[in-house]
Amino acid sequence: GQQLNQSPQSMFIQEGEDVSMNCTSSSIFNTWLWYKQDPGEGPVLLIALYKAGELTSNGRLTAQFGITRKDSFLNISASIPSDVGIYFCAGPDSGTYKYIFGTGTRLKVLA
Amino acid sequence: KAGVTQTPRYLIKTRGQQVTLSCSPISGHRSVSWYQQTPGQGLQFLFEYFSETQRNKGNFPGRFSGRQFSNSRSEMNVSTLELGDSALYLCASSLEGTGADTQYFGPGTRLTVL
Repeated sequence: GQQLNQSPQSMFIQEGEDVSMNCTSSSIFNTWLWYKQDPGEGPVLLIALYKAGELTSNGRLTAQFGITRKDSFLNISASIPSDVGIYFCAGPDSGTYKYIFGTGTRLKVLA
Repeated sequence: KAGVTQTPRYLIKTRGQQVTLSCSPISGHRSVSWYQQTPGQGLQFLFEYFSETQRNKGNFPGRFSGRQFSNSRSEMNVSTLELGDSALYLCASSLEGTGADTQYFGPGTRLTVL
C-alpha cells in the first residue's frame, strides 16, 4: 500500500530560523495536506495542495506540491516558540476513502 | 461554522469494559473517519463512514466498531477494553471523503484503560 515518509523525524531550531521538512510517497498523490498537532489536541489543517507544482502560503508557512506528485515540502520562516509541535503530511489513498499520514516531524524551538 | 466536536474529551475505563465515543462533523460534511493515535504507532486509520455506510476499514480487531447516523454524526465503540487501547481517538470530517476533499479533525478523546 501507499506509504508516506517524513523527514526529519525531529528537529531543534533557534527562534528566528527558517525550517524545512518534506514528505515523500511511494506512489502518486492527487492531494497533499499538511497538519500541525499540539500535545493532546487534534491535528489542525495548515495548508492543502491540489495540483502538481502548486505553491501555497499561509502566513509564515509555505508548502509545495512536488511536480512528480510523489513529494511535498513545508517551510516555516522565522520560527517562533508557538511553532512547537508535530507536523504531519497526509494524502488520500487512491480509491479507498482513507487518508495516509506521515510519521510526523517533531519541531522544537529554542528561544 | 462550528468545527468537528468530540465527546467526551477524556475517559478512564478498566480492562474488560466497553466504551462509546461520539463525533459531530462540520455541518454539511458527510464523511467521517476515525483514527487511533498512540506514541509508538502514530495515526492509524480505524474506519470511514459516508451516508451511514462504512466504506473502508483499517486493520483493527472486531472489538472496534462504529456507526453513522442520518445527521452524519458518528459513534465508535470499543468492547472488552485492553490496556493497549489507551490512546487519543480522533475523528475527522470531510465533504465527501474523496481525494479532492480536505479533512478536518476534532480535538480527540483521550481514553485511558486501567
